[in-house]
Amino acid sequence: KNQVEQSPQSLIILEGKNCTLQCNYTVSPFSNLRWYKQDTGRGPVSLTIMTFSENTKSNGRYTATLDADTKQSSLHITASQLSDSASYICVVSARNTGGFKTIFGAGTRLFVKA
Amino acid sequence: GAGVSQTPSNKVTEKGKYVELRCDPISGHTALYWYRQSLGQGPEFLIYFQGTGAADDSGLPNDRFFAVRPEGSVSTLKIQRTERGDSAVYLCASSLWGQNLMSTDTQYFGPGTRLTVL
Repeated sequence: KNQVEQSPQSLIILEGKNCTLQCNYTVSPFSNLRWYKQDTGRGPVSLTIMTFSENTKSNGRYTATLDADTKQSSLHITASQLSDSASYICVVSARNTGGFKTIFGAGTRLFVKA
Repeated sequence: GAGVSQTPSNKVTEKGKYVELRCDPISGHTALYWYRQSLGQGPEFLIYFQGTGAADDSGLPNDRFFAVRPEGSVSTLKIQRTERGDSAVYLCASSLWGQNLMSTDTQYFGPGTRLTVL
């Protein structure tokens, strides 16, 4: 069964600290993996996208890694800011006979405190 | 104002009623997606349009749900005989090419419509 599991469910950190969010998936055959940031009451916004051949991708203070062998990804946030408080969603796409299937994780809720 | 817009932002209805949710994608985007998001969960795929046609409607939960995109731009998600379990945020996204044509195509999401069925 295609699944995307994220951990932790929620996380509280102090402003200025770093953190790492985890994503494990069992989606097959793998096509790509994306990380989204979703502010409360808003739609998700794409942060990074990685295909099979990529193992790291950065977007400002956000760095995503991908290990396609172990089917794990992480999102590292450096020097956190209050505005980083949001849900971070891992999304994996799999190729199927009709096109692609996209499976969303439940997200990690990050709270950055002053 | 070039983003994806959705109307209404909030909709409260009674069980058994019919509702329509509207999505205006980014101009020129050929692909449009509908998702449903329950509290504390990630979005759940409903349907994907490539142009005017539904390229994948496998996520629609039952035949009470239907979506159209008659001119390849605006889309309407229609829910008949609403049930309390339909309460959720309904998200719409659009992308330039569509995932079937370009798997890495970036989807741009609207703010969602919060549907509450009493």
